[in-house]
Amino acid sequence: SQTIHQWPATLVQPVGSPLSLECTVEGTSNPNLYWYRQAAGRGLQLLFYSVGIGQISSEVPQNLSASRPQDRQFILSSKKLLLSDSGFYLCAWSNGAGDDEKLFFGSGTQLSVL
Amino acid sequence: AQKITQTQPGMFVQEKEAVTLDCTYDTSDPSYGLFWYKQPSSGEMIFLIYQGSYDQQNATEGRYSLNFQKARKSANLVISASQLGDSAMYFCAMREANSARQLTFGSGTQLTVLP
Repeated sequence: SQTIHQWPATLVQPVGSPLSLECTVEGTSNPNLYWYRQAAGRGLQLLFYSVGIGQISSEVPQNLSASRPQDRQFILSSKKLLLSDSGFYLCAWSNGAGDDEKLFFGSGTQLSVL
Repeated sequence: AQKITQTQPGMFVQEKEAVTLDCTYDTSDPSYGLFWYKQPSSGEMIFLIYQGSYDQQNATEGRYSLNFQKARKSANLVISASQLGDSAMYFCAMREANSARQLTFGSGTQLTVLP
């Protein structure tokens, strides 16, 4: 069966520090990979998605970036964090490309930028 | 305009009773998919149920069913025989065929099941 791992679970970082969140998927090949952010009490906002190694699409311009160095690895990064980067970050994977494409999420990372 | 609207920030239901969580959507795309996810306090988003725009019958998955009223653009989630473990945040989401990667979420409904 497929599993998705996301770490760390919580992170407290000072403003201006770098960020690296990692997500890996097991049990499937060539998945679509996603990074979402959830502000407190809000729905999810799509940040990045990737349909293959080295292929990254950005939905929201910001100081975050994403990379996919391996088929089942997706990394969210920042060179200098802002206070507004605080939030709950969720990685997700899927197979397929239709409007019935179901996303399966990791357990999330709670990021607090102080 | 909001693509997904969930008008109930919070709902309460007695254990073993049924509850309906409302969701309305806005799209001009004839082909789209509607999803419900559950987010317990642990934070993980759990897929519950899917309804395609061309599906003739309402989707069902165990105690979950989706009351799909296409003309009214509503996709309400019905949970039968509520359990204490159903207490969580519930999100409605939509994917339009011409926005292939964008799964748009509503603001969610916090459901509390009372013993």
